[in-house]
Amino acid sequence: AQKITQTQPGMFVQEKEAVTLDCTYDTSDQSYGLFWYKQPSSGEMIFLIYQGSYDEQNATEGRYSLNFQKARKSANLVISASQLGDSAMYFCAMRGSYGNNRLAFGKGNQVVVIP
Amino acid sequence: DAGVIQSPRHEVTEMGQEVTLRCKPISGHDYLFWYRQTMMRGLELLIYFNNNVPIDDSGMPEDRFSAKMPNASFSTLKIQPSEPRDSAVYFCASSLDLTGRVYNSPLHFGNGTRLTVT
Repeated sequence: AQKITQTQPGMFVQEKEAVTLDCTYDTSDQSYGLFWYKQPSSGEMIFLIYQGSYDEQNATEGRYSLNFQKARKSANLVISASQLGDSAMYFCAMRGSYGNNRLAFGKGNQVVVIP
Repeated sequence: DAGVIQSPRHEVTEMGQEVTLRCKPISGHDYLFWYRQTMMRGLELLIYFNNNVPIDDSGMPEDRFSAKMPNASFSTLKIQPSEPRDSAVYFCASSLDLTGRVYNSPLHFGNGTRLTVT
């Protein structure tokens, strides 16, 4: 079974500062994908970034980057130059192979950006 | 491009009534998922389909819940009879397996249906 762990309490971040959101995972699959989603207070789930288990380079997407450490089974999200609109809940998720095609989510990290 | 479309956005019903939630996936996507989100339990997968065939329904809470996908462009999640503990936000999501490595593909979510059962 896949397990995603996000344990940080709610975070306050100063505008224009960087923030790192921790995510660890556990799986027996050799091939898998890691994803981060943003859920603002309006409720929609927004896909941010993807990292494949065989990707050697860390994924980047604009101000988002993923710090992938496969041996440690961690996939931390880094948001650079925080903006007020980044205030949201952030979810780490994993999608496996060999029948584990579901997307399993962590509990989420709450981020509040303050001016 | 149109995203995943869910209806209704909000549903308020009384205990014991039948509730039907609807979803139109992104055209061409071959996977469809139903999730439920609550404060207590977070995001839970209820069921998912591949090419209109249910693959894993182990997350469906009980017999009161049923889901169908009669064609590639439409799915329903039905609760009969509804109970107050079913109150949650229900998300539909779809994805496209382009490469044969489905774990590469992100899920694209609809805006959700907020269900309140009184």
